[in-house]
Amino acid sequence: GAGVSQSPSNKVTEKGKDVELRCDPISGHTALYWYRQSLGQGLEFLIYFQGNSAPDKSGLPSDRFSAERTGGSVSTLTIQRTQQEDSAVYLCASSLVSAGSSYEQYFGPGTRLTVT
Amino acid sequence: KQEVTQIPAALSVPEGENLVLNCSFTDSAIYNLQWFRQDPGKGLTSLLLIQSSQREQTSGRLNASLDKSSGRSTLYIAASQPGDSATYLCAPSTNQGGKLIFGQGTELSVKP
Repeated sequence: GAGVSQSPSNKVTEKGKDVELRCDPISGHTALYWYRQSLGQGLEFLIYFQGNSAPDKSGLPSDRFSAERTGGSVSTLTIQRTQQEDSAVYLCASSLVSAGSSYEQYFGPGTRLTVT
Repeated sequence: KQEVTQIPAALSVPEGENLVLNCSFTDSAIYNLQWFRQDPGKGLTSLLLIQSSQREQTSGRLNASLDKSSGRSTLYIAASQPGDSATYLCAPSTNQGGKLIFGQGTELSVKP
């Protein structure tokens, strides 16, 4: 079946502009995660959605970052007033969280964000 | 706070060698641990997942072991091939379905 998809694959934006990154998880997966991969910081967790529970936002680096998940499926990560340090690859993952599942996370191809 | 260390940071071997990648983590109260590979400019491909109750998992030429009490996991690659060249990442999770904490990875190069 289809894997996790992300769009756009590449995004170049000017400093100070807002950007939206989209993630389509694997159909039926109840959990959705956003991570960021940058040269200086490696791969770091940003936010996690599970069903109807309140999201775990503990990894968001500042209040310029927000995310939502509509209808328990598609998610959008929004970065307001982008800064050059926001340049990174943003990765989305999904997993099936239920009794008997392994909670294995499957990753999308990522969105490469460049802030000029 | 969970911290993950992978050794070595980089490894170059001739084709056909067996090799071991090491991963250590500071908080032994993990739920599971995943090994991934990442090709340049690509996303992450899940290789193996080990539950905290398991000692090892095997898939083809790959074998991952877990010693939770000592905070260690190893990924064994048998009969390496040039197509194995990639960065390998280790990531434990401390909660059911929770976030993964990643190491910095081991960059593997297998020479023909």
